[in-house]
Amino acid sequence: DIQLTQSPSFLSASVGDRVTITCRASQDINNYLAWYQQKPGKAPKLLISAASTLQSGVPSRFSGSGSGTEFTLTISSLQPEDFATYCCQHLRSYPLTFGGGTKVEIK
Amino acid sequence: EVQLVESGGGLVQPGGSLRLSCAASGFTFSDFYMDWVRHAPGKGLEWVARTRDKGSSYTVEYATSVKGRFTISRDDSNNSLYLQMNSLKTEDTAVYYCARAGVGTRYFDYWGQGTLVTVSS
Repeated sequence: DIQLTQSPSFLSASVGDRVTITCRASQDINNYLAWYQQKPGKAPKLLISAASTLQSGVPSRFSGSGSGTEFTLTISSLQPEDFATYCCQHLRSYPLTFGGGTKVEIK
Repeated sequence: EVQLVESGGGLVQPGGSLRLSCAASGFTFSDFYMDWVRHAPGKGLEWVARTRDKGSSYTVEYATSVKGRFTISRDDSNNSLYLQMNSLKTEDTAVYYCARAGVGTRYFDYWGQGTLVTVSS
């Protein structure tokens, strides 16, 4: 199984900060990676697919990059509504797996 | 508007069974792969199972942790997705989400609100 390791697992930041979250895959997954945002009690929301493709309606302050085994999600200027948990997911092969998540909290 | 509505969750004893349902609307259900994903308390998301569409012969995939115990199925005539869960274990306790896999990309582009399954004696 392909393991996805996210770092950090917890992040404290202020409104307006630039935030970067990393997702490392245990083997080459090309660009078969997505990023999701999840708020407490809510279903996850797809932000980015294919490592860097922003989904329709997602603010442009979100961006994704990377290929192979290392990927990043960047929020260029953190907004109050961005405080949530972010997780990565690969689509390279079965079983599909998710990273452990990064919780972004208000500093 | 795409809608996915899960039902069937509840409290069940270890070793018991439960069947989850997901009612889909707002899109051509038969054209899409569909998945179940779960979120256990204090843990990360875990993909559970996938059913492909008719064009891919409705083939299925399972997570190692549920293979042999869970069965995913679909009824395209009723726009419904199912998850039959047998031999339930305490570690199966989670919120179970029905998710649509986007055409071509296969990422989870729409999710239901989830249904809670609690396995406890």
